Amino acid sequence: AQKITQTQPGMFVQEKEAVTLDCTYDTSDPSYGLFWYKQPSSGEMIFLIYQGSYDQQNATEGRYSLNFQKARKSANLVISASQLGDSAMYFCAMREESMTTDSWGKLQFGAGTQVVVTP
Amino acid sequence: KAGVTQTPRYLIKTRGQQVTLSCSPISGHRSVSWYQQTPGQGLQFLFEYFSETQRNKGNFPGRFSGRQFSNSRSEMNVSTLELGDSALYLCASSPETGGFNEQFFGPGTRLTVL
Repeated sequence: AQKITQTQPGMFVQEKEAVTLDCTYDTSDPSYGLFWYKQPSSGEMIFLIYQGSYDQQNATEGRYSLNFQKARKSANLVISASQLGDSAMYFCAMREESMTTDSWGKLQFGAGTQVVVTP
Repeated sequence: KAGVTQTPRYLIKTRGQQVTLSCSPISGHRSVSWYQQTPGQGLQFLFEYFSETQRNKGNFPGRFSGRQFSNSRSEMNVSTLELGDSALYLCASSPETGGFNEQFFGPGTRLTVL
């Protein structure tokens, strides 16, 4: 079963505007981490932001913030003041952290959202 | 500090051949995970090594194998290549498991099977 769902295959956003990328997840593990990565056309996965399941506050990193709604199992990424360099594929990922043998070092990724920033 | 490096960056093989990909983690990192990325299946976890031991494995056939050396460098091997093995193979290193440990990714190896 799909554990990470990203319902937006692609989005256009104008430069300097904010954009919200949706991510919902499914897990029965009480301890988990949620990640967002950016993948430019070059292929490298760039870490953006992390939210732990027990974190009380929403994570922020510069222009990136994570809107974490635990009850709804939602972890949306907000990019403020979009820049042309933000054009890339964005992936939401989860790691279940109860440290069972099935979880060691394993990130589960969504299908991604392609973001194109226009001038 | 140098990032995660992967060699080679590009590789072209023919069906039935075997291939070995290499990943050098960030200095001090002991965990290395491998992922396969294809347009059809997206990003899928292959396996994870920690201190030379495979601790986790994804749902891939036995043709996919790996190992980790004492310096934490890791290799993955694919034997009897199939067309469907064409993909971007990414490795990621992490300092240790437990708590928040970001996985730092390398640039990937793009494998084409003809």
